[in-house]
Amino acid sequence: GAVVSQHPSRVICKSGTSVKIECRSLDFQATTMFWYRQFPKQSLMLMATSNEGSKATYEQGVEKDKFLINHASLTLSTLTVTSAHPEDSSFYICSARIPGTGNNQPQHFGDGTRLSIL
Amino acid sequence: SQELEQSPQSLIVQEGKNLTINCTSSKTLYGLYWYKQKYGEGLIFLMMLQKGGEEKSHEKITAKLDEKKQQSSLHITASQPSHAGTYLCGADGGSGTYKYIFGTGTRLKVLA
Repeated sequence: GAVVSQHPSRVICKSGTSVKIECRSLDFQATTMFWYRQFPKQSLMLMATSNEGSKATYEQGVEKDKFLINHASLTLSTLTVTSAHPEDSSFYICSARIPGTGNNQPQHFGDGTRLSIL
Repeated sequence: SQELEQSPQSLIVQEGKNLTINCTSSKTLYGLYWYKQKYGEGLIFLMMLQKGGEEKSHEKITAKLDEKKQQSSLHITASQPSHAGTYLCGADGGSGTYKYIFGTGTRLKVLA
């Protein structure tokens, strides 16, 4: 079945560091991927839609320069948290949909990345 | 904007008991998806509902979408500790962007 791989699963780093998270679709090409953020005991909040070959679409209130998204190939989207600070600590999850299926297929999710900024 | 409200927020049941989780949308649902999440992990897809009145089952889990397509329920029969986790309903906003919004989540604990 369709699988989405996310890496790394856990990152602990110092304040001011930039962190890159990768999201790969393993057995299908994903023209669209989504990045979510989840705070403890809360639901998922959509941050942005990653579009292959074009700029990402950010949700209201999400800083484009803070959360850089690159979708350079049909199987890889990256989220870079630039100059991360403790308030950026969170659980980040990506998802991908199989193109051409409309809403007849669910989104497939990665296992998430827990980011801890000291 | 569309909102999804889940109830209850949390649930503790004894093993073997049945339970129901509800998901109510502020707008008509074009697609309703149920996922399960264990703490610190990704989302596991459970079921997808699209048609009013639709009902689907997988093992001991049954999901239904009402005729008006604004409310869905997830029913677990004879719960087991392996059912523990957070259940999330997600909806396709219907704008053609395929963006999902998610419900508030229901945390389930099953006591052995």
